Amino acid sequence: AQKITQTQPGMFVQEKEAVTLDCTYDTSDPSYGLFWYKQPSSGEMIFLIYQGSYDQQNATEGRYSLNFQKARKSANLVISASQLGDSAMYFCAMREARFSGGYNKLIFGAGTRLAVHP
Amino acid sequence: DSGVTQTPKHLITATGQRVTLRCSPRSGDLSVYWYQQSLDQGLQFLIQYYNGEERAKGNILERFSAQQFPDLHSELNLSSLELGDSALYFCASSVESGGGGVEETQYFGPGTRLLVL
Repeated sequence: AQKITQTQPGMFVQEKEAVTLDCTYDTSDPSYGLFWYKQPSSGEMIFLIYQGSYDQQNATEGRYSLNFQKARKSANLVISASQLGDSAMYFCAMREARFSGGYNKLIFGAGTRLAVHP
Repeated sequence: DSGVTQTPKHLITATGQRVTLRCSPRSGDLSVYWYQQSLDQGLQFLIQYYNGEERAKGNILERFSAQQFPDLHSELNLSSLELGDSALYFCASSVESGGGGVEETQYFGPGTRLLVL
C-alpha cells in the first residue's frame, strides 16, 4: 500500500503568489514525522520543514508552512510569495517510529514539480 | 550546503563492472542512510548504518553492499552492474540519538549520478 501520495505531478504558480502542494499519508503508527524536501534541477535534496505527529501547531519555516490535518492524514506544504528559485521538485516524506525491515527510513512520495512563472 | 559530501558526483561505467560510492556524513552525525532515486522506482531506501553497524535494510539488491568505517564515512559498493542500476544515489546522515526519534532530520548529500552503459 502506498504510504505517501502526492497527487499533483506538476503545478504552476505566478511569482509572488502562494501555492499549496498536497501530500496525504497512510500509517497506523501513532508516532511519525513528516518532512518536505526540495530537489532543484541540480539534483540535491534540500530539507525544508518538519512536522511531528504530536505537534499541536503547524510547522513554519520562513516562507514555508505545513498545513497539517491529522484526521485527514494530510500534510500540505504552503509556499508563500513564490520566487523563481522555488521552481523544483518537491517531495513529501514520512518517518515512522517503528517499521519492520526499515526502521528510521524515510518513505517518499512521487513528488510534485513546481514551476514558478514571472 | 548540507554538510554531507559524496564522491564522485558522476560515474559512467559498463555493465558487469563494480563501483564504489563514498559518503562523509555531517560532523557529529552517527547514522548514514543510502537511497536510490530512479525514474521508475522513485526514491527508495537502501540501507542504514549507525556508528559502524548495519541498522536497517530496505530494497537493497544482493549485488549491492555497504559499510561504515570507524571515522563514520560510508561506502556503497555496487557490483555486476546492470543497465537498470543507472540512478542517482544519495547518502543522508542524521544525529540519531539512539532513540530513533521521528523528528531527527536526515540531511542529504549532493548525490552520485551513476550511468551504466
